[in-house]
Amino acid sequence: DTGVSQNPRHKITKRGQNVTFRCDPISEHNRLYWYRQTLGQGPEFLTYFQNEAQLEKSRLLSDRFSAERPKGSFSTLEIQRTEQGDSAMYLCASSSRLAGGPVVTQYFGPGTRLTVL
Amino acid sequence: QQPVQSPQAVILREGEDAVINCSSSKALYSVHWYRQKHGEAPVFLMILLKGGEQKGHDKISASFNEKKQQSSLYLTASQLSYSGTYFCGTDNDMRFGAGTRLTVKP
Repeated sequence: DTGVSQNPRHKITKRGQNVTFRCDPISEHNRLYWYRQTLGQGPEFLTYFQNEAQLEKSRLLSDRFSAERPKGSFSTLEIQRTEQGDSAMYLCASSSRLAGGPVVTQYFGPGTRLTVL
Repeated sequence: QQPVQSPQAVILREGEDAVINCSSSKALYSVHWYRQKHGEAPVFLMILLKGGEQKGHDKISASFNEKKQQSSLYLTASQLSYSGTYFCGTDNDMRFGAGTRLTVKP
């Protein structure tokens, strides 16, 4: 399968615990995005990478959130000291972009559903 | 900046048409359209790049106005499978609108 994959698909944790999610993008895609989505809302941008460089991070992203893409391939999103408000679907997407051109298209992974008790 | 979508929700009977709008306060480099079914990830529908562009496949098409600040998605002769939430996304930073929930009833 050459699509975007995310692990785990579901995570239940207790408030205050740390969680880490993984995203494996489509191999030839140089851009990787993280989004958060709650019921009835559109995907909310969190951060994105071009290769291994984190180019933008949402101001909504507190210091408890950190993302890495160490070798420009897979990415991890860590949430420290989880809160009940962190409960959401966390979506990863990857895309390619021609130099100086628009994003060609964006493919989403199946998401990781986080429930904080 | 997040684009604005309208309407928030629409209910159709099979075979009816619908239009979903997406607007921005600034000119966009491109606009993307996605459909998301309940419990699933968004699925790419199409991208529009040029002002005045129109494109589509099957009975779903979209347009991008000349000023590149508004895009519309047209669903013609709707089918039950069209039900879902439709999102537009802007270029570069890929912000999404809040979505339009489309329900097609038999």
